Order: sequence, then structure tokens, then C-alpha cells
Amino acid sequence: EAGVTQFPSHSVIEKGQTVTLRCDPISGHDNLYWYRRVMGKEIKFLLHFVKESKQDESGMPNNRFLAERTGGTYSTLKVQPAELEDSGVYFCASSLSRTEAFFGQGTRLTVV
Amino acid sequence: AQKVTQAQTEISVVEKEDVTLDCVYETRDTTYYLFWYKQPPSGELVFLIRRNSFDEQNEISGRYSWNFQKSTSSFNFTITASQVVDSAVYFCALSVLSNTGKLIFGQGTTLQVKP
Repeated sequence: EAGVTQFPSHSVIEKGQTVTLRCDPISGHDNLYWYRRVMGKEIKFLLHFVKESKQDESGMPNNRFLAERTGGTYSTLKVQPAELEDSGVYFCASSLSRTEAFFGQGTRLTVV
Repeated sequence: AQKVTQAQTEISVVEKEDVTLDCVYETRDTTYYLFWYKQPPSGELVFLIRRNSFDEQNEISGRYSWNFQKSTSSFNFTITASQVVDSAVYFCALSVLSNTGKLIFGQGTTLQVKP
């Protein structure tokens, strides 16, 4: 069974550009979460989808971040325009229940 | 509010030593889950264990063991006879059912096991 897959694994963009991260959850997992780890700090929650609906987006840092989950399958996280402080590792996780989440390998975003 | 504290930022041990990673959590919820994840150099987060708040039994899995104590709000992780492959960043995390299942992570502890 395929795990959570994230694309790309690395992305380097210039300040002001747009970047879109993609997450393919484990098939059948209704819950999908985005997290971010910035500058070696703790991993912080960004938002939670249940199927295609945003259940909790309290962790989204500002309106430059837009997350979507088309048809309740894969999800995208767009940063537009990117700023230097957006650099970090973005993790996606999926789960059947809310008690155990499986993580992808993360996307390392570097804004220069 | 929930919080997880991993006071040890970095730990360095020599192979075959035992090492304990500390985790202290805060929550007012009575139903919650505690987790440990491992992040090896390859970058992915690997699930190690989940405990619920009603089960204080310690758990052992090979060289890994976990000590859950509600009285001190701690969920410590011990690696016995450490190996170089144990070198990684280890994260402790908390999830409360009243909070959509999202994880609150500690800052992570970087473990380096030297040969």
C-alpha cells in the first residue's frame, strides 16, 4: 500500500514567486493535515481537511497561503507570493481516524 | 491550551549506551493521545508509538521503551543499547480528541549516536 506522497521533495524559489505543494494521502483516508517546520523549531499545524472540507485552518499563517483538496483526494498548498520566512519543511499527513496520522517525507521549501 | 516540551535539544551518546528522551505535556483534556515520531536524515516522519490517556502501561518494543506517567505529565522514550542507525530527530506529540485530531509537537530532540 502506498504511503503519503508529497511533491516536490525540494523547491527553491525567489521571494515573490508562487509555489504549489502537493500531497497525495493514503487511499481512503478522509483526514488530511498540513504541518510546517520552520528553522529547526517545532512542527506546527497548518490545517485539517475532512474529505474536501476544511475542518480547521487555525494554523494558516496568513492569506498568502491557500490550501485546497479537490474531490477529497489529493491536496495542494499554494504560497503566493512567497516570503523569506516561508522557508521550511512542509509535511502532509493523513489518517482514517483522528488518532493516528501517517506522514509524507515532506517538501523542503527554500525562498531566496 | 495544549503544549509539549522536549527540554533536550541535542543528545550525543556512544553506541551501546542507553539514552532517554524526555517529553512533558500540558493539557486540560482528559482524553488525549501521546505520540513519538522519528525523523531520520532522509526527512520523513516515522510513527513509533501512540498511547491514550487511559492506558498508563509502559510499553517495550525491542530496544525501545516508553514510560507514560500521568502524575508528572511525562511520556519519556528510552533506547537501550543505542545504535548508529538510531541517529535522528525525535518528536513527541500530543493530540486531543476535542481538537480535530491535530498534533501538537515538541521542539524535537536531535540524537547523535557515535560509533
